[in-house]
Amino acid sequence: QKEVEQDPGPLSVPEGAIVSLNCTYSNSAFQYFMWYRQYSRKGPELLMYTYSSGNKEDGRFTAQVDKSSKYISLFIRDSQPSDSATYLCAITGGTSYGKLTFGQGTILTVHP
Amino acid sequence: EAGVVQSPRYKIIEKKQPVAFWCNPISGHNTLYWYLQNLGQGPELLIRYENEEAVDDSQLPKDRFSAERLKGVDSTLKIQPAELGDSAVYLCASSQDMNTGELFFGEGSRLTVL
Repeated sequence: QKEVEQDPGPLSVPEGAIVSLNCTYSNSAFQYFMWYRQYSRKGPELLMYTYSSGNKEDGRFTAQVDKSSKYISLFIRDSQPSDSATYLCAITGGTSYGKLTFGQGTILTVHP
Repeated sequence: EAGVVQSPRYKIIEKKQPVAFWCNPISGHNTLYWYLQNLGQGPELLIRYENEEAVDDSQLPKDRFSAERLKGVDSTLKIQPAELGDSAVYLCASSQDMNTGELFFGEGSRLTVL
């Protein structure tokens, strides 16, 4: 079993839709949870960062962590064509401090 | 502030040839990472440096891969000899705060082995 599992999609939605992206993980020691966005032929860039359980909102983006279920989510409201990218969840913590473990990535396309 | 710089962006070589990738991290970032990203997959850690010291190289295939970070700044990742399966994107990243895992990535070096 991989440490982090993510549905690769692809996911295609119309502009303005609410998008839900999810990951599950296996190691309960993980403490830091991130979402990275990666445009085609570019390196990943940090989108959202949360520590432990709870919600964090930044503009149209909301990151949610449920440590009891080992489940993390990213919600995108009012999605735009510019949101079309690959979204990677990433986790670190515990004995893996300093090492980011990534999910497979979900390819998202928002069409006008 | 300049981001993480990698070169070359693209490299095509024949199998069994050597290849090297170079990375210049963000100034002041002591932690440097090399990640491997295969098509349709998330990045996988190859090696992590704290200053000059390789603190995690457990995923680096040491029979053909080597890396160095002289003077704790720039880093070079080498493959010798390259195999067909090495075709991938090699990403360099740097971090200031190791414990939170907030990484800044370069654009990557895309390797094609023929």
